[in-house]
Amino acid sequence: AQKITQTQPGMFVQEKEAVTLDCTYDTSDQSYGLFWYKQPSSGEMIFLIYQGSYDEQNATEGRYSLNFQKARKSANLVISASQLGDSAMYFCAMREYFNYGQNFVFGPGTRLSVLP
Amino acid sequence: DTEVTQTPKHLVMGMTNKKSLKCEQHMGHRAMYWYKQKAKKPPELMFVYSYEKLSINESVPSRFSPECPNSSLLNLHLHALQPEDSALYLCASSQSPGQSSSGANVLTFGAGSRLTVL
Repeated sequence: AQKITQTQPGMFVQEKEAVTLDCTYDTSDQSYGLFWYKQPSSGEMIFLIYQGSYDEQNATEGRYSLNFQKARKSANLVISASQLGDSAMYFCAMREYFNYGQNFVFGPGTRLSVLP
Repeated sequence: DTEVTQTPKHLVMGMTNKKSLKCEQHMGHRAMYWYKQKAKKPPELMFVYSYEKLSINESVPSRFSPECPNSSLLNLHLHALQPEDSALYLCASSQSPGQSSSGANVLTFGAGSRLTVL
């Protein structure tokens, strides 16, 4: 079974500063996908960024970038220029395949608080 | 605005009630999912529908009954629930069921239905 570890239950960052949220994963598959989702207190899971295992470049989406280190099995999320609206729960997830479909396995999450 | 719509947003029910959660998407996605999320925990998969057929059932108790009337709609029928079933129920969809490994095939989630069982 695949497993996702997020070692930071909670993080604080000052507004306008950058923050890195850690994620390590465990899989024996050669082909896999890694995802980051944001969950505000409203409950909706918002997709942020995706990294495929064969992608040679680190993924970037606006203020979000993914620091992908395949040999170390880590996929850390970097948020630049933090904003108050970034305060939320952040989940790292890995896709696993079944015979007839896919599932996203989520890590335990990191609660980010942005301070004014 | 989310492209996956869930109703109701909040539901309170007794253990003898029968109720349903509804989910709708109009993105042409061919796979739909139900996840359950307890407080301060990550979402956990319950069911997956691929091309309107149930493809994954993660050993969910029979008091939860999913239904996929068409490619845009997904229901979760609830009957004789227990207080420990109180949770946030998230619906999601993806462009394809994901048998191939090409592309992101991201899960798009709805805002969730927060269920309280008394």
